[in-house]
Amino acid sequence: GENVEQHPSTLSVQEGDSAVIKCTYSDSASNYFPWYKQELGKRPQLIIDIRSNVGEKKDQRIAVTLNKTAKHFSLHITETQPEDSAVYFCAASIGYGQNFVFGPGTRLSVLP
Amino acid sequence: DVKVTQSSRYLVKRTGEKVFLECVQDMDHENMFWYRQDPGLGLRLIYFSYDVKMKEKGDIPEGYSVSREKKERFSLILESASTNQTSMYLCASSFGAEQETQYFGPGTRLLVL
Repeated sequence: GENVEQHPSTLSVQEGDSAVIKCTYSDSASNYFPWYKQELGKRPQLIIDIRSNVGEKKDQRIAVTLNKTAKHFSLHITETQPEDSAVYFCAASIGYGQNFVFGPGTRLSVLP
Repeated sequence: DVKVTQSSRYLVKRTGEKVFLECVQDMDHENMFWYRQDPGLGLRLIYFSYDVKMKEKGDIPEGYSVSREKKERFSLILESASTNQTSMYLCASSFGAEQETQYFGPGTRLLVL
């Protein structure tokens, strides 16, 4: 079955710097890759996603890149702010998202 | 606005008890999911359902069962709770087809003594 690895497990950056979180997946049939953000004590929420027919997607300060050949995808956050502090989960899915496999998560801390 | 609710935020049960966790969504979503969340392990899929009365095992179904008698409601059942089932349980739903975004409930923190 699908296996998703995520690195780093923790990440601290200074406010205003960029943050990059990387995920690798094992099943080349995976075609949908979402990123979820979970603030402390709250539920995970989708922040950005990408499909396998697209190499890059951007939404304001966040972007996701996908390398299908290498089977990895990355989340990029620019101009980080304290409210970006959270746990971020990547996931990979085949078909219509009926079976997500999540990575173990990255705890991002943005230091003022 | 999608709303996914779970029956309890916190639950304390004893070993061997039967435990019911209920999830309700109000957006006519086809897919519903149960995950458990443990530190360092992320979100692990227990079961999911893509239609009423349909269910599929996820990665860690042992010790759990599910029921989906109505489209909006998905129940997770711990037949005989054990201490290693102490965890945060998250329910989610998604529309299906090519709308895969999962909307999560607030979670139930279960402690099994």
